[in-house]
Amino acid sequence: SAVISQKPSRDICQRGTSLTIQCQVDSQVTMMFWYRQQPGQSLTLIATANQGSEATYESGFVIDKFPISRPNLTFSTLTVSNMSPEDSSIYLCSALLRYGTLYEQYFGPGTRLTVT
Amino acid sequence: LAKTTQPISMDSYEGQEVNITCSHNNIATNDYITWYQQFPSQGPRFIIQGYKTKVTNEVASLFIPADRKSSTLSLPRVSLSDTAVYYCLVGAPGNQGGKLIFGQGTELSVKP
Repeated sequence: SAVISQKPSRDICQRGTSLTIQCQVDSQVTMMFWYRQQPGQSLTLIATANQGSEATYESGFVIDKFPISRPNLTFSTLTVSNMSPEDSSIYLCSALLRYGTLYEQYFGPGTRLTVT
Repeated sequence: LAKTTQPISMDSYEGQEVNITCSHNNIATNDYITWYQQFPSQGPRFIIQGYKTKVTNEVASLFIPADRKSSTLSLPRVSLSDTAVYYCLVGAPGNQGGKLIFGQGTELSVKP
């Protein structure tokens, strides 16, 4: 199993500013992911962050708005840049672990962001 | 990635068995079926994963017919604490970059 922590757990930010969310995994993992979840909605994948390569973004998400770092096998950051109220959401990171033929994706507790 | 369809919501009572069915008509040969559970204000939690036939663990059972175009998550004797959103996901983690695409999920409400 894996334990994933995120910082901050929540924040209230002003529009036009940026926030960097940190994600720490207690074991080394190759693949990490960032998701966004609006209240009452499902999760939307923002990007895949592999160590040693550029993040791969899903349709509708761009690097300038959501830059991602992956400096090592246990850590990643997501920055929400030039924030607007539409960016208010819960941001979750996750990591993929493999156990033989079984793949389990573990999720952090999320960062609740409110943009005013 | 295969698209999934599952009921938006379900109601049950404590002690009952709950079966949530997910349709995935376009499932590929390499795809696995995985179910996640999410409580409010928490990240999703892995429940069970399978490829075919039946898989059982300490939490649930997963039934997959031979054509694999659907799957059923079975929760035995649910309790109030099983109230959550349940997501069915289909994909090949090792072959498609590992990413999981979440569908709408099923909101299960367990009543006393």
